[in-house]
Amino acid sequence: GEDVEQSLFLSVREGDSSVINCTYTDSSSTYLYWYKQEPGAGLQLLTYIFSNMDMKQDQRLTVLLNKKDKHLSLRIADTQTGDSAIYFCAESGFSSNTGKLIFGQGTTLQVKP
Amino acid sequence: NAGVTQTPKFQVLKTGQSMTLQCAQDMNHEYMSWYRQDPGMGLRLIHYSVGAGITDQGEVPNGYNVSRSTTEDFPLRLLSAAPSQTSVYFCASSYGTSVEQFFGPGTRLTVL
Repeated sequence: GEDVEQSLFLSVREGDSSVINCTYTDSSSTYLYWYKQEPGAGLQLLTYIFSNMDMKQDQRLTVLLNKKDKHLSLRIADTQTGDSAIYFCAESGFSSNTGKLIFGQGTTLQVKP
Repeated sequence: NAGVTQTPKFQVLKTGQSMTLQCAQDMNHEYMSWYRQDPGMGLRLIHYSVGAGITDQGEVPNGYNVSRSTTEDFPLRLLSAAPSQTSVYFCASSYGTSVEQFFGPGTRLTVL
C-alpha cells in the first residue's frame, strides 16, 4: 500500500540550513507536498512539486525530488526561530485529485537561537 | 471568506456517547476530507467526499460515519465513542484540480 516515511526530529541553529527528508512508495503520485503545522494550528501548505519535476525553488525553500529512489527533501535556507514547527510530507495517492492525501508522520523542526 | 471552519474546538466525551464534529467551507470546494492526527503517526484519512451526495472510506473509517448533503458541510459522526478515538480531527477541502487542500483549525477530542 501507499506509505510515506519521515524522520521525527531535527534540530538546527538559527541561520543554518535545514534539510527534512521523506520517502514514499506510490510511484503513481502526481503531486508531492510539504505542509507546515505550528503549535495548536491546522496545516498550511508550504510548497508542492509535480512528479515530473526534479527541483522547485520558492524563496528560502528548495524541494528536491529523486523519483528513482522515491525520495523527497525540503531545504530551508537561513532557518529562523519562526520556522520551528512540524513539517509533513504528503503525496496524492492517485493520479486524479480526489482530495486524498497520504501523510508522513511529521518532522519536528527545532530552531535554536 | 471564512475558509474551513470546525466546531467545536475542544470536546470531552465519555465512552459510549455519540457526537457530531462539524465542518463547513464557504469556498464552493467539491472535495472534503476528514483526518485524525495522533502523535508520531501523522494524519490519517478517515472519510472523504468528492461532491454532495458522494462519500467514501479512507484509511481508518471504523467507528465514524459521514454524509454530504450540501457542498458546504461535511459532518463527522461518532456513534459510540471509544478511548481509541481520542485525537485531533482536521477537516480539509479543495477545489477540483487545485493542488492545495485547505485545512480547518482542528477539533481536539478526548474520550474518557
